[in-house]
Amino acid sequence: AQSVSQHNHHVILSEAASLELGCNYSYGGTVNLFWYVQYPGQHLQLLLKYFSGDPLVKGIKGFEAEFIKSKFSFNLRKPSVQWSDTAEYFCAVNAPERTGGGNKLTFGTGTQLKVEL
Amino acid sequence: EAQVTQNPRYLITVTGKKLTVTCSQNMNHEYMSWYRQDPGLGLRQIYYSMNVEVTDKGDVPEGYKVSRKEKRNFPLILESPSPNQTSLYFCASSWAFSGLAGAIQETQYFGPGTRLLVL
Repeated sequence: AQSVSQHNHHVILSEAASLELGCNYSYGGTVNLFWYVQYPGQHLQLLLKYFSGDPLVKGIKGFEAEFIKSKFSFNLRKPSVQWSDTAEYFCAVNAPERTGGGNKLTFGTGTQLKVEL
Repeated sequence: EAQVTQNPRYLITVTGKKLTVTCSQNMNHEYMSWYRQDPGLGLRQIYYSMNVEVTDKGDVPEGYKVSRKEKRNFPLILESPSPNQTSLYFCASSWAFSGLAGAIQETQYFGPGTRLLVL
């Protein structure tokens, strides 16, 4: 079965520091990749997604992610974090060929980011 | 406003007492899904539905039922809740855009969550 790994479970940064959150997946075929964010007490919101084309995708709030197929990775980056970026971040993968038509998302376990003033 | 709504948002119940968590979307999405979120485990899919009257199991379907009688609604039913079903539940919906291999690739939109405690 496909799996998604997020190796950083808790990250603490100071404001203006750069952020990189790792995401690796296990499936070798065609994948669709997502990063979702969950602010405290809120539901998941889409940050960015990759379906095809340019492997460097830009999302909302200054976030970007790079799909590196050879490394099975889709790391999330932001050059300068803000206190308001404090949230939990989830990487998710959909492998259409494996799910036989189902839009099944497999999520990583999440990375809790805390940005200190 | 385009949204996915869930009710109730918070629920405390006792073991064995049947309950239903409702989910409704106003975006005319074909695809709907239920997830549970547990600390250290991320989100895991319980059931999904490709369209009206079409449902299938996700990764953790045991102890749950769903139905899809109308396009906009996708209730989650716990016939006999147990403490291990204490969790945060999210409903999601998306378009069913046919892409590679006839499969679905579209962004899922999530509801606000239902926090369930089973005593």
